[in-house]
Amino acid sequence: AQSVTQLDSQVPVFEEAPVELRCNYSSSVSVYLFWYVQYPNQGLQLLLKYLSGSTLVKGINGFEAEFNKSQTSFHLRKPSVHISDTAEYFCAVPSLPNSGGSNYKLTFGKGTLLTVNP
Amino acid sequence: DAGVTQSPTHLIKTRGQQVTLRCSPISGHKSVSWYQQVLGQGPQFIFQYYEKEERGRGNFPDRFSARQFPNYSSELNVNALLLGDSALYLCASSRTGTPFSGANVLTFGAGSRLTVL
Repeated sequence: AQSVTQLDSQVPVFEEAPVELRCNYSSSVSVYLFWYVQYPNQGLQLLLKYLSGSTLVKGINGFEAEFNKSQTSFHLRKPSVHISDTAEYFCAVPSLPNSGGSNYKLTFGKGTLLTVNP
Repeated sequence: DAGVTQSPTHLIKTRGQQVTLRCSPISGHKSVSWYQQVLGQGPQFIFQYYEKEERGRGNFPDRFSARQFPNYSSELNVNALLLGDSALYLCASSRTGTPFSGANVLTFGAGSRLTVL
């Protein structure tokens, strides 16, 4: 079954500093990968997705992620963060056909709380 | 277009009671999924429905049930509530029943926060 591991539960940074949120995946089939963001007391918003093609994926709010098959990673990066980026970030992988799991669910990591300090 | 809407936004129940949560998908979306997010954890898959049929079920007890209506809206029911059912319940919709093909991804609502006392 597909799974993701988010290596850091909390990442504190100062405003305008760069940030990287780490995600490693486990999958034996073709991989789709997603990053979602959850602002306080809100639902999940899609930041970016990797489905195929270029391994560097650009998303909303200046975020980007790079799919690295050899390292089974999909780390999220932003060169300069703002106070408004403070939120919980989730990496997710879907279950695909012939994997033993449902075709229709996302498996999420435990999340990384990004706190941007002034 | 309106996004995925969920109701109620907050509710408090006591152990043993039953709860019904409601979800309206984005217009044109025919698939609805339900996820449970316990505080400090990532969302966990509960159900997926497409064209009124259950297409997937997560590792949840039979106390959890759901259905989808002809207008594609959905309800999640939880019977005999336990303290551990306290969570944010998220509904997500997608255009088809295979949400991970092409650009057809899940769009989430803001959730219904259930507190069980």
